[in-house]
Amino acid sequence: GAVVSQHPSRVICKSGTSVKIECRSLDFQATTMFWYRQFPKQSLMLMATSNEGSKATYEQGVEKDKFLINHASLTLSTLTVTSAHPEDSSFYICSANLLAGGDTQYFGPGTRLTVL
Amino acid sequence: KQEVTQIPAALSVPEGENLVLNCSFTDSAIYNLQWFRQDPGKGLTSLLLIQSSQREQTSGRLNASLDKSSGRSTLYIAASQPGDSATYLCAVGGYQKVTFGTGTKLQVIP
Repeated sequence: GAVVSQHPSRVICKSGTSVKIECRSLDFQATTMFWYRQFPKQSLMLMATSNEGSKATYEQGVEKDKFLINHASLTLSTLTVTSAHPEDSSFYICSANLLAGGDTQYFGPGTRLTVL
Repeated sequence: KQEVTQIPAALSVPEGENLVLNCSFTDSAIYNLQWFRQDPGKGLTSLLLIQSSQREQTSGRLNASLDKSSGRSTLYIAASQPGDSATYLCAVGGYQKVTFGTGTKLQVIP
């Protein structure tokens, strides 16, 4: 149980285009979903926290107009990287908390974005 | 603010050796601690999850311990194999936030 999926697993796009990454909780409902980013040879850093039906809360330094987060349902959150540039190339990972309680975050496998 | 440190940053051992990876954290008010494995260019694979009320978890050749009071966790790998080569990440779970360490890159030499 508590499986989180991400789609796509890899994406390559041209500079200036927008890319959408989906995060789904497959066998549970998630009150909260989180998005993390990993720069090369660095650890994962929290970008934003999203609750179903409300606006995401972004960490300091993360541009909310650049990284659009939509949490449309209790099983789906999307991250859209708008007008992507090479410096946005990174590894993006989502996680989700169980609706039923508890504070364990279950992580998706991640999406590797490469912007040419 | 929680800070998570993993030492060593890199480790190279011969195949068959038992080894210990260390993780320390500054704020002991945690909910859980997870150990992940990350292969180059790949995503995270969850290895073990220890809730704050637990002292250890085991899965196969892996054993993770947690000492909240001292702010430490260890990941013990028994009889290491070349396939264990990867980066191992420690992630400390607090309220609505998980803080990751920078990882230990393990190389097991055949």
